[in-house]
Amino acid sequence: QVQLVESGGGVVQPGGSLRLSCAASGFIFNNYAMHWVRQAPGKGLEWVAFIRYDGITKYYADSVKGRFTISRDNSKNTLYLQMNSLRPEDTAVYYCAKGFSNWSLDNWGRGTLVTVSS
Amino acid sequence: QSALTQPPSASGSPGQSVTISCTGTSSDVGGYDYVSWYQEHPGKAPKLMIYEVSERPSGVPDRFSGSKSGNTASLTVSGLQTEDEADYYCSSYAGSNNLLFGGGTKLTVL
Repeated sequence: QVQLVESGGGVVQPGGSLRLSCAASGFIFNNYAMHWVRQAPGKGLEWVAFIRYDGITKYYADSVKGRFTISRDNSKNTLYLQMNSLRPEDTAVYYCAKGFSNWSLDNWGRGTLVTVSS
Repeated sequence: QSALTQPPSASGSPGQSVTISCTGTSSDVGGYDYVSWYQEHPGKAPKLMIYEVSERPSGVPDRFSGSKSGNTASLTVSGLQTEDEADYYCSSYAGSNNLLFGGGTKLTVL
C-alpha cells in the first residue's frame, strides 16, 4: 500500500535552513504530483507547495514563495522541501501528500515537526 | 487569500446525521468544483473522505457525502459512529494554482 515517510524536521534558529525529505513507496511515484502541507501547533492545515509528476511545474503558497523550494528525485522516489530564511511562524508539522484528482490529496504521511526558535 | 470558514465544532449522537459547512467565496468554493474533505484523528495522517465536491474515494463509507451550494460546501455524516469522532477539514482550489484549507471542525459523537 501507499507509504509516505517524512524526515528532516528539527529545531532551527530564525533565519536558518532545513531540508525535509519524503520517501514514497507503494505506488508509481513518477506518475503523480506531490504536495507539502503544514499544520502549526493547534491550528488548521495550510497548503505549502505543489510539484508536477515530472518536477517541471511547481507552485507555492504566498507565505513561503521565494524562501521554500520543492523538488523531487524520481529515481529515488523521494520528495524534498528546502526551507530557507525560516521564521517562527514556519513552526509546524510538515506533511507530504500524494496528488489525486484536481487538487485533492489522497495519501498523507505522518508528518515531521519543524520548530523555528532561538 | 483567507482560509475557508468552518464551524469550530459539531456534534451528534450515534446513529444521527450531522452536517459540517465550509464557506468560501466565488473565487474558491463557488468558482470550482474542486472541494475536498479530510478526516484527521489525533496523531494520525489526514484521510481523504470526499473529492470534487461529492465523490468518495474507494473505501470511504457511503455514510459520508458532500455537496455544494453557491460559496458553501457541506459534508454530511449519516448514521454517526463513534469512530467518526475526529477533526474534519475542507479544502478548495482557489485559482492561480493555490489551494485553501478551512480552519477545521471538531466532530464529537456524544
